[in-house]
Amino acid sequence: RKEVEQDPGPFNVPEGATVAFNCTYSNSASQSFFWYRQDCRKEPKLLMSVYSSGNEDGRFTAQLNRASQYISLLIRDSKLSDSATYLCVVNYLEYGNKLVFGAGTILRVKS
Amino acid sequence: DAGVIQSPRHEVTEMGQEVTLRCKPISGHDYLFWYRQTMMRGLELLIYFNNNVPIDDSGMPEDRFSAKMPNASFSTLKIQPSEPRDSAVYFCASSLDTRGEKLFFGSGTQLSVL
Repeated sequence: RKEVEQDPGPFNVPEGATVAFNCTYSNSASQSFFWYRQDCRKEPKLLMSVYSSGNEDGRFTAQLNRASQYISLLIRDSKLSDSATYLCVVNYLEYGNKLVFGAGTILRVKS
Repeated sequence: DAGVIQSPRHEVTEMGQEVTLRCKPISGHDYLFWYRQTMMRGLELLIYFNNNVPIDDSGMPEDRFSAKMPNASFSTLKIQPSEPRDSAVYFCASSLDTRGEKLFFGSGTQLSVL
């Protein structure tokens, strides 16, 4: 089983749609979880951290389910500018707290 | 702050040549990371430094790859000799710690080995 797994997509959605991505991780001891965004031919940038209680930032909501070892990202009212690759990131304590990146989920928002 | 600065942005070289990638981290960041990104394998950590000292190089593919950090403001990743399978985007990132909340990436170096 891969350390961090994501559906690669692409997810093709119309503007205004709600879209959700899931990510599963293999290490139950992981403590830190993040979603990064990567635009085409650009570097990854932190979108948001994922907290146990769930957290929201505008149109974006991140949730963590420790029992099932998955993380989700919900985007409401999708904009054209949301088109990007979304990377799920998990820390692995046994690797010296190393961050492990998922392969990413491609989102394409169309007008 | 200018952010993490990498050079060159693009590098095209022939198989067997030596390639040197450069990185200047954000001032004050104690951690520096080198990542490689390909379509097949995604984003992989190659090596990271804490206060200029290599901490984990388990991701370095083989002896052809080496990385140095002679001071807090400069790091290099060298490939010698280069091979076509080394073609990828190489990112440098810096951070205040090993968590992901304050990890900042440079713009990357697109390496093509012919």
